Amino acid sequence: DILISQSPSSLSASVGDTVTITCRASPDINNYLAWYQQRPGKVPKLLIYGASTLQSGVPPRFSGSGSGGVFTLTISSLQPEDVATYYCQKYNFAPNAFGQGTKLEIK
Amino acid sequence: EVQLVESGGGLVQPGGSLRLSCAASGFSFNNYWMTWVRQAPGKGLEWVANINQDGSERYYLASVNGRVTISRDNAKNSVYLQINSLRPEDTAVYYCARDVSPFHDSSGFYEYWGQGTLVTVSS
Repeated sequence: DILISQSPSSLSASVGDTVTITCRASPDINNYLAWYQQRPGKVPKLLIYGASTLQSGVPPRFSGSGSGGVFTLTISSLQPEDVATYYCQKYNFAPNAFGQGTKLEIK
Repeated sequence: EVQLVESGGGLVQPGGSLRLSCAASGFSFNNYWMTWVRQAPGKGLEWVANINQDGSERYYLASVNGRVTISRDNAKNSVYLQINSLRPEDTAVYYCARDVSPFHDSSGFYEYWGQGTLVTVSS
């Protein structure tokens, strides 16, 4: 099975900051990686797929990069509404596992 | 408007069984792969199973394989998850989710999610 790991497990940043979350997959998954945002009490929301393609309606301050085995989600100009847990998900073939999640808080 | 509505959760004793349902509307159900994802209280997302458009392909998380069966009824626009031999670690909110694209091969990622149904396994 492909191992997928996410870091950090939590982080705290200030409004206006830029934050980066990393997802590692082994072995390589090409660019078959998606990112989701799950606000407290809500269902997950698709942010990015294909490692870097922004889902329609998602603010452009969210961006994704990477290929193969290391991927990053970057949130620029952090806003209060970005408080959430963020998950990566690999989808090259089933099972389409999720990372452990990164809980983002605002200082 | 795409809607996914799960039902069938509840309190079950260890060793029991449940059949979860997900009723879909607002799209051509028989064109899409469908998936079940679960989330234990306070924990992360866990992919459980998916099924292709006509039910001929099904894939499962290794740790539930043999206890879980995913199925669908395209005439009823519904997908199901049968869980047998329930264990306390199966306690979770179970979400159904729809593939982004109506292609033969699963896109594997999900734009539409239901609100989930809570399964609690406890004596």
